[in-house]
Amino acid sequence: TQLLEQSPQFLSIQEGENLTVYCNSSSVFSSLQWYRQEPGEGPVLLVTVVTGGEVKKLKRLTFQFGDARKDSSLHITAAQPGDTGLYLCAGVDNDMRFGAGTRLTVKP
Amino acid sequence: DAGITQSPRHKVTETGTPVTLRCHQTENHRYMYWYRQDPGHGLRLIHYSYGVKDTDKGEVSDGYSVSRSKTEDFLLTLESATSSQTSVYFCAISKPWLAGRYEQFFGPGTRLTVL
Repeated sequence: TQLLEQSPQFLSIQEGENLTVYCNSSSVFSSLQWYRQEPGEGPVLLVTVVTGGEVKKLKRLTFQFGDARKDSSLHITAAQPGDTGLYLCAGVDNDMRFGAGTRLTVKP
Repeated sequence: DAGITQSPRHKVTETGTPVTLRCHQTENHRYMYWYRQDPGHGLRLIHYSYGVKDTDKGEVSDGYSVSRSKTEDFLLTLESATSSQTSVYFCAISKPWLAGRYEQFFGPGTRLTVL
């Protein structure tokens, strides 16, 4: 059973477009983390959000934690080929559970 | 960079053979983890350790054992490898972040193929 559902599973866009990917759960988490993973490498932590309704910005990436702390979104503005990768969310409570990821391809 | 290395990076083995994967960290973190990553499943926790000789099972521990005789090394052993254990294996450590909160950092992974 996947506690964290990520959508879409795959996304292919052109350079310069905006996009949003989602991480949804029926469970409440004390915090939620987003990672980016490139082929042949381990996931790299991008951000941790802890407060319901929290918004964090990391250059062109905007992360939002839902008010009820059950869901999160990642918005990328003006995507670049360097944003290509697998984006994983992970919900943290007593343990840590990962979603299956959104595989993003940004074409030049 | 959390100073995590994994060895080997790639391994091909045959069904029924024992396999040991090694995770080494240089920053003396207490918590270490082993995950496997498979398409459609994300990362799933196999075992974790909260100190030398202190380990516990994760979500998918059947067929795997671990050992931690030194703070810096966490070993994952497949006693008798099966084809269903073909996967990419990641080691991770936890670093304290805010009070009572931790963030995980991952090694580069080991791709294991069981024929």
